[in-house]
Amino acid sequence: QVQLQESGPGLVKPSGTLSLTCAVSGGSISSNKWWNWVRQSPGKGLEWIGEIYHNGNSNYNPSLKSRVTISVDKSKNQFSLNLSSVTAADTAVYFCASGFLYYDSSRGGFDIWGQGTMVTVSS
Amino acid sequence: DIQMTQSPSSLSASVGDRVTITCRASQSVSRHLNWYQQRPGKTPKLLIYGASSLHGGVPSRFSGSGSGTDFTLTISSLQPEDFATYYCQHSATTPQTFGQGTRVEIK
Repeated sequence: QVQLQESGPGLVKPSGTLSLTCAVSGGSISSNKWWNWVRQSPGKGLEWIGEIYHNGNSNYNPSLKSRVTISVDKSKNQFSLNLSSVTAADTAVYFCASGFLYYDSSRGGFDIWGQGTMVTVSS
Repeated sequence: DIQMTQSPSSLSASVGDRVTITCRASQSVSRHLNWYQQRPGKTPKLLIYGASSLHGGVPSRFSGSGSGTDFTLTISSLQPEDFATYYCQHSATTPQTFGQGTRVEIK
């Protein structure tokens, strides 16, 4: 079965760039799914960051769009998140998650999640 | 952005109780509404997609209903493992947004 695993630095300096990678195992990133990043600030709710399809098509949350880039590397079966100009407000647990499609390509929610990685923005 | 509002924010219930959580969207999301369960320190788990379709492996005591702007998650008989926070999420448009969560606590 498909598993997702996030990796990347746990500490990023203010104004720096947060970079995370999500490795997909047990399945192909070229399957008919959208690959997502979601974050959760300590004690807070969930915020969708953006998504990418294996052909490179992507969508971002407008609140973060100017700072976010999501990319896919099919040769490594992984996708990545870059978030620039970070502040303390970007401190959160970052999850990667797969979004499945059903019927007429309707989005069916996030069925598989990585374990999450805590990223702290601090000098 | 479509805002998702859940009610109540928290509730106390006993094992065996029937529990209902409501989610309201600020505009129609048709049936593009999903529900998740998150236990403390764990990752969210998809329960319901498409407003009423049970995700694989999810117990049948969970059910979802609604369309347009008003949706409901029902747990027919609360079990000890169901004490958690529940989130609704729409997947109708970008950005996909989540409700603020409903914490289900033991009475």
